[in-house]
Amino acid sequence: AQSVTQLDSHVSVSEGTPVLLRCNYSSSYSPSLFWYVQHPNKGLQLLLKYTSAATLVKGINGFEAEFKKSETSFHLTKPSAHMSDAAEYFCVVSGPSGGYNKLIFGAGTRLAVHP
Amino acid sequence: ETGVTQTPRHLVMGMTNKKSLKCEQHLGHNAMYWYKQSAKKPLELMFVYNFKEQTENNSVPSRFSPECPNSSHLFLHLHTLQPEDSALYLCASSQDLGTSGGAWADTQYFGPGTRLTVL
Repeated sequence: AQSVTQLDSHVSVSEGTPVLLRCNYSSSYSPSLFWYVQHPNKGLQLLLKYTSAATLVKGINGFEAEFKKSETSFHLTKPSAHMSDAAEYFCVVSGPSGGYNKLIFGAGTRLAVHP
Repeated sequence: ETGVTQTPRHLVMGMTNKKSLKCEQHLGHNAMYWYKQSAKKPLELMFVYNFKEQTENNSVPSRFSPECPNSSHLFLHLHTLQPEDSALYLCASSQDLGTSGGAWADTQYFGPGTRLTVL
């Protein structure tokens, strides 16, 4: 079975400082892992995906995530936060369930960016 | 733009009304999904369709009735809803159910959602 835990429900940073959103996963299989972002009253936008091709995954808008199997982690980082990064971020694991790859969503981390 | 559109974006309905949500994807995908996103709760998968065939009904009440006439369109018909059904309803699509072996085949692309309020 797959599961995902986002370790912080809220993260607050100042503009221009680094962002770290933490995610741990559990999977019986070699997982696919995603980060999605949701701005207020909008749908989910794919930031990046880990597909086992490389452990450091670069996404859109300067975000990247590193897959660490030994730590079962897939933390999302950005070197310098921008005001437009304020949103909710979801870590997602995909794994086979009932004959297809089901997405299991974390509870989300709300990122606030202050001037 | 993700290539997945949803209409209407906002809907207010009474408990006795009948309405429908529409989703259309322009990505050439074969699988489509309905999710419910309520405040303070994780995203809930409702229905999964693959090549127009329903492959999952996640114990959704019968007042929600999905329809998938072709691989590009997905509807959610609503009738006699309850106030607790108020939520953001999200549609998504993917190349397939992740069974093709392609690394990106199961990647889901989401529409902007329909914000539903049941009075």
